[in-house]
Amino acid sequence: AQSVTQPDIHITVSEGASLELRCNYSYGATPYLFWYVQSPGQGLQLLLKYFSGDTLVQGIKGFEAEFKRSQSSFNLRKPSVHWSDAAEYFCAVGAKTGANNLFFGTGTRLTVIP
Amino acid sequence: NAGVTQTPKFRVLKTGQSMTLLCAQDMNHEYMYWYRQDPGMGLRLIHYSVGEGTTAKGEVPDGYNVSRLKKQNFLLGLESAAPSQTSVYFCASSRSGGAGELFFGEGSRLTVL
Repeated sequence: AQSVTQPDIHITVSEGASLELRCNYSYGATPYLFWYVQSPGQGLQLLLKYFSGDTLVQGIKGFEAEFKRSQSSFNLRKPSVHWSDAAEYFCAVGAKTGANNLFFGTGTRLTVIP
Repeated sequence: NAGVTQTPKFRVLKTGQSMTLLCAQDMNHEYMYWYRQDPGMGLRLIHYSVGEGTTAKGEVPDGYNVSRLKKQNFLLGLESAAPSQTSVYFCASSRSGGAGELFFGEGSRLTVL
Protein backbone atom coordinates (compact mmCIF):
# COMPACT_ATOMS: atom_id res chain seq x y z
CA ALA A 1 0.00 0.00 0.00
CA GLN A 2 1.13 3.50 -0.74
CA SER A 3 1.87 5.78 2.16
CA VAL A 4 3.93 8.77 3.15
CA THR A 5 5.23 9.30 6.68
CA GLN A 6 6.42 12.60 8.02
CA PRO A 7 7.50 11.68 11.54
CA ASP A 8 7.91 15.23 12.81
CA ILE A 9 4.64 17.05 13.41
CA HIS A 10 6.29 20.30 14.50
CA ILE A 11 9.87 21.55 14.30
CA THR A 12 11.29 24.76 15.72
CA VAL A 13 14.59 26.17 14.48
CA SER A 14 16.44 29.41 14.96
CA GLU A 15 16.81 31.78 12.05
CA GLY A 16 20.07 31.04 10.27
CA ALA A 17 20.22 27.45 11.46
CA SER A 18 20.10 24.49 9.12
CA LEU A 19 16.93 22.50 8.55
CA GLU A 20 16.10 18.92 7.67
CA LEU A 21 12.53 17.66 7.35
CA ARG A 22 12.07 13.93 7.13
CA CYS A 23 9.91 12.00 4.70
CA ASN A 24 9.63 8.25 4.31
CA TYR A 25 7.46 6.59 1.73
CA SER A 26 6.05 3.22 0.84
CA TYR A 27 5.27 2.76 -2.83
CA GLY A 28 4.98 -0.27 -5.05
CA ALA A 29 6.37 1.26 -8.22
CA THR A 30 9.10 3.73 -9.02
CA PRO A 31 8.08 6.77 -7.03
CA TYR A 32 7.76 10.33 -8.14
CA LEU A 33 8.41 12.46 -5.08
CA PHE A 34 7.40 15.99 -4.22
CA TRP A 35 7.69 18.57 -1.49
CA TYR A 36 5.01 21.23 -1.20
CA VAL A 37 4.93 24.22 1.14
CA GLN A 38 1.84 25.87 2.60
CA SER A 39 2.21 29.34 4.04
CA PRO A 40 -0.42 30.44 6.56
CA GLY A 41 -3.77 31.04 4.91
CA GLN A 42 -2.49 29.97 1.50
CA GLY A 43 -2.73 27.00 -0.80
CA LEU A 44 0.14 24.62 -1.36
CA GLN A 45 3.05 25.50 -3.62
CA LEU A 46 5.50 23.09 -5.20
CA LEU A 47 9.02 23.38 -3.75
CA LEU A 48 10.71 20.62 -5.72
CA LYS A 49 10.19 17.24 -7.29
CA TYR A 50 12.18 14.12 -8.10
CA PHE A 51 11.40 11.94 -11.08
CA SER A 52 14.71 10.29 -11.99
CA GLY A 53 18.41 10.95 -12.43
CA ASP A 54 20.46 12.89 -9.91
CA THR A 55 19.21 11.97 -6.46
CA LEU A 56 19.89 15.45 -5.09
CA VAL A 57 17.34 17.90 -6.43
CA GLN A 58 17.23 21.63 -6.07
CA GLY A 59 14.07 23.59 -5.59
CA ILE A 60 12.85 27.09 -5.07
CA LYS A 61 13.67 29.29 -2.09
CA GLY A 62 17.03 27.58 -1.53
CA PHE A 63 15.61 24.16 -0.63
CA GLU A 64 17.02 20.84 -1.72
CA ALA A 65 16.03 17.22 -1.18
CA GLU A 66 17.84 13.93 -1.48
CA PHE A 67 16.25 10.72 -2.69
CA LYS A 68 17.63 7.62 -0.97
CA ARG A 69 16.07 4.52 -2.45
CA SER A 70 17.68 2.17 0.10
CA GLN A 71 16.07 4.10 2.95
CA SER A 72 12.82 4.97 1.13
CA SER A 73 13.41 8.54 2.12
CA PHE A 74 13.18 11.95 0.51
CA ASN A 75 14.33 14.43 3.14
CA LEU A 76 14.10 18.17 2.60
CA ARG A 77 17.01 20.40 3.60
CA LYS A 78 17.98 24.03 3.75
CA PRO A 79 21.37 25.24 4.97
CA SER A 80 20.17 28.49 6.51
CA VAL A 81 16.55 29.09 7.46
CA HIS A 82 14.88 32.48 7.08
CA TRP A 83 11.93 33.73 9.11
CA SER A 84 9.81 33.62 5.94
CA ASP A 85 10.28 29.84 5.77
CA ALA A 86 7.83 29.38 8.64
CA ALA A 87 5.09 27.28 7.06
CA GLU A 88 3.77 23.76 6.81
CA TYR A 89 5.61 21.34 4.58
CA PHE A 90 4.07 18.35 2.86
CA CYS A 91 5.84 15.43 1.25
CA ALA A 92 3.95 13.57 -1.48
CA VAL A 93 4.51 10.48 -3.60
CA GLY A 94 2.93 9.60 -6.92
CA ALA A 95 3.39 7.67 -10.14
CA LYS A 96 4.15 8.77 -13.66
CA THR A 97 0.71 7.96 -15.00
CA GLY A 98 -2.77 8.17 -13.63
CA ALA A 99 -4.84 11.05 -12.41
CA ASN A 100 -5.41 10.31 -8.76
CA ASN A 101 -2.42 8.53 -7.33
CA LEU A 102 -0.70 11.35 -5.47
CA PHE A 103 -0.46 10.63 -1.74
CA PHE A 104 0.33 13.35 0.77
CA GLY A 105 1.96 13.04 4.15
CA THR A 106 0.39 14.64 7.20
CA GLY A 107 2.74 17.60 7.12
CA THR A 108 5.44 19.14 9.30
CA ARG A 109 4.88 22.59 10.73
CA LEU A 110 8.03 24.70 10.87
CA THR A 111 8.41 27.52 13.37
CA VAL A 112 11.37 29.89 13.01
CA ILE A 113 12.52 31.82 16.05
CA PRO A 114 14.69 34.93 15.91
CA ASN B 1 -2.25 35.88 -13.13
CA ALA B 2 -5.23 34.44 -11.24
CA GLY B 3 -4.26 30.74 -11.40
CA VAL B 4 -6.78 28.81 -9.30
CA THR B 5 -9.55 30.77 -7.62
CA GLN B 6 -11.95 29.40 -5.02
CA THR B 7 -15.19 30.96 -3.85
CA PRO B 8 -16.33 31.48 -1.20
CA LYS B 9 -13.31 31.62 1.11
CA PHE B 10 -15.35 31.24 4.27
CA ARG B 11 -18.78 29.82 4.95
CA VAL B 12 -20.76 28.77 7.99
CA LEU B 13 -23.61 26.30 7.52
CA LYS B 14 -26.14 24.66 9.75
CA THR B 15 -26.47 20.90 9.70
CA GLY B 16 -28.63 19.83 6.78
CA GLN B 17 -28.04 22.91 4.64
CA SER B 18 -26.60 22.68 1.18
CA MET B 19 -23.93 24.68 -0.56
CA THR B 20 -21.61 24.72 -3.53
CA LEU B 21 -17.93 25.61 -3.69
CA LEU B 22 -16.69 26.95 -6.98
CA CYS B 23 -13.21 26.45 -8.36
CA ALA B 24 -12.04 28.27 -11.46
CA GLN B 25 -8.67 27.92 -13.23
CA ASP B 26 -7.34 29.96 -16.09
CA MET B 27 -4.41 27.74 -17.09
CA ASN B 28 -6.34 25.47 -19.47
CA HIS B 29 -5.54 22.45 -17.30
CA GLU B 30 -7.28 19.16 -17.98
CA TYR B 31 -7.06 17.76 -14.47
CA MET B 32 -8.84 19.27 -11.49
CA TYR B 33 -9.10 18.07 -7.91
CA TRP B 34 -10.93 18.75 -4.69
CA TYR B 35 -9.11 17.99 -1.42
CA ARG B 36 -10.04 18.46 2.18
CA GLN B 37 -7.46 19.29 4.82
CA ASP B 38 -7.99 18.33 8.43
CA PRO B 39 -5.56 18.73 11.35
CA GLY B 40 -3.12 15.84 11.56
CA MET B 41 -4.48 14.20 8.43
CA GLY B 42 -2.85 16.06 5.59
CA LEU B 43 -4.74 16.36 2.32
CA ARG B 44 -7.31 13.80 1.29
CA LEU B 45 -8.73 13.60 -2.20
CA ILE B 46 -12.51 13.96 -2.43
CA HIS B 47 -13.22 13.93 -6.16
CA TYR B 48 -11.29 14.68 -9.30
CA SER B 49 -11.80 15.26 -13.00
CA VAL B 50 -9.64 14.37 -15.96
CA GLY B 51 -11.43 16.66 -18.37
CA GLU B 52 -14.60 18.54 -19.17
CA GLY B 53 -17.67 16.43 -18.49
CA THR B 54 -15.80 13.81 -16.42
CA THR B 55 -15.66 13.22 -12.68
CA ALA B 56 -14.38 10.42 -10.47
CA LYS B 57 -14.29 9.53 -6.80
CA GLY B 58 -11.25 9.98 -4.66
CA GLU B 59 -10.42 8.72 -1.20
CA VAL B 60 -13.27 10.39 0.74
CA PRO B 61 -16.18 11.05 -1.67
CA ASP B 62 -19.17 10.34 0.59
CA GLY B 63 -21.45 13.31 1.19
CA TYR B 64 -20.06 15.30 -1.75
CA ASN B 65 -20.95 15.68 -5.40
CA VAL B 66 -19.03 17.40 -8.17
CA SER B 67 -19.56 18.67 -11.68
CA ARG B 68 -17.25 19.79 -14.48
CA LEU B 69 -19.53 21.32 -17.09
CA LYS B 70 -16.83 23.67 -18.33
CA LYS B 71 -13.14 22.92 -18.55
CA GLN B 72 -12.17 25.84 -16.38
CA ASN B 73 -14.66 25.20 -13.57
CA PHE B 74 -14.99 22.41 -11.02
CA LEU B 75 -17.84 22.60 -8.53
CA LEU B 76 -18.03 20.80 -5.21
CA GLY B 77 -21.46 20.38 -3.67
CA LEU B 78 -22.66 19.40 -0.24
CA GLU B 79 -26.32 18.40 -0.40
CA SER B 80 -26.89 18.00 3.35
CA ALA B 81 -24.00 19.32 5.38
CA ALA B 82 -22.83 17.48 8.49
CA PRO B 83 -20.46 18.64 11.26
CA SER B 84 -17.94 16.04 10.03
CA GLN B 85 -17.61 18.12 6.86
CA THR B 86 -16.14 21.03 8.78
CA SER B 87 -12.80 21.41 7.08
CA VAL B 88 -10.65 23.48 4.78
CA TYR B 89 -11.26 22.61 1.15
CA PHE B 90 -8.64 23.04 -1.53
CA CYS B 91 -9.08 22.94 -5.25
CA ALA B 92 -6.10 22.12 -7.45
CA SER B 93 -5.43 21.78 -11.14
CA SER B 94 -2.73 20.07 -13.14
CA ARG B 95 -1.65 19.84 -16.74
CA SER B 96 -0.56 16.24 -16.59
CA GLY B 97 -2.23 14.31 -13.83
CA GLY B 98 -0.52 12.42 -11.03
CA ALA B 99 3.08 13.26 -11.83
CA GLY B 100 2.48 16.84 -12.73
CA GLU B 101 2.72 19.90 -10.56
CA LEU B 102 -0.50 20.73 -8.76
CA PHE B 103 -1.56 24.36 -8.61
CA PHE B 104 -3.69 25.08 -5.57
CA GLY B 105 -6.27 27.66 -4.71
CA GLU B 106 -6.11 29.49 -1.40
CA GLY B 107 -8.70 27.29 0.24
CA SER B 108 -12.27 27.55 1.47
CA ARG B 109 -12.90 27.21 5.18
CA LEU B 110 -16.25 25.58 5.88
CA THR B 111 -17.80 25.29 9.32
CA VAL B 112 -20.90 23.17 9.83
CA LEU B 113 -22.74 23.81 13.09
